[in-house]
Amino acid sequence: EVHLVESGGAVVQPGGSLRLSCAASGFTFDDYTMHWVRQTPGKGLEWVSIIRRDGTYTHYADSVKGRFTISRDSRKNSLYLQMNSLRTEDSAFYYCAKDTAGFRDARGLDYWGQGTLVTVSS
Amino acid sequence: SYEVTQPPSVSVSPGQTANITCSGEQLGDKYVSWYQQRPGQSPVLLIYQDNKRPSGIPERFSGSNSGNTAALTISGTQAMDEADYYCQTWDSNTGVVFGGGTQVTVL
Repeated sequence: EVHLVESGGAVVQPGGSLRLSCAASGFTFDDYTMHWVRQTPGKGLEWVSIIRRDGTYTHYADSVKGRFTISRDSRKNSLYLQMNSLRTEDSAFYYCAKDTAGFRDARGLDYWGQGTLVTVSS
Repeated sequence: SYEVTQPPSVSVSPGQTANITCSGEQLGDKYVSWYQQRPGQSPVLLIYQDNKRPSGIPERFSGSNSGNTAALTISGTQAMDEADYYCQTWDSNTGVVFGGGTQVTVL
């Protein structure tokens, strides 16, 4: 059974940094593209970033480009999101999600974690 | 940047058919996925690559995509289908694009 478990969410001051982790199990991690998606409570889904299965291709939403970095570790079956220069508008639940394929696009996000809450506030 | 548009809300009577649209420029040239999200829960993939259903998703959920509009159809709508629904596509410049979501109410 596929499991995705996010961690690392916290309360952080504007301008601060945070690293989110997503532990994956139940599937061959190296075969699939992975994503980070965020959602402010009561609002819609906002895609954050994608990383291809081999880690050689990444892409970011304009709202986080230059501040966030996605990465993955096949030895640990883990996905990461390094978030720097955080802003109040970055406050949200952050989900990691598995793609149905391993390409450099999104074919469908078939498994999602439960989310981890990031709050950026002074 | 590329955008897709959904109606904010759709109402349907139990047992009837609900249609949720997702509109975008030449959307028919792209793959579209659909997600269901109930309050307090993570999204669930209902349809991917326009019309494929993951295992475990009931047959009453179906998808189509042509021209500028994709659609999710819920046949024989049940009370448990009351939720928010999001369409999603990929644009090579923008990345993953989600629609704003449609709240389905089963009256």
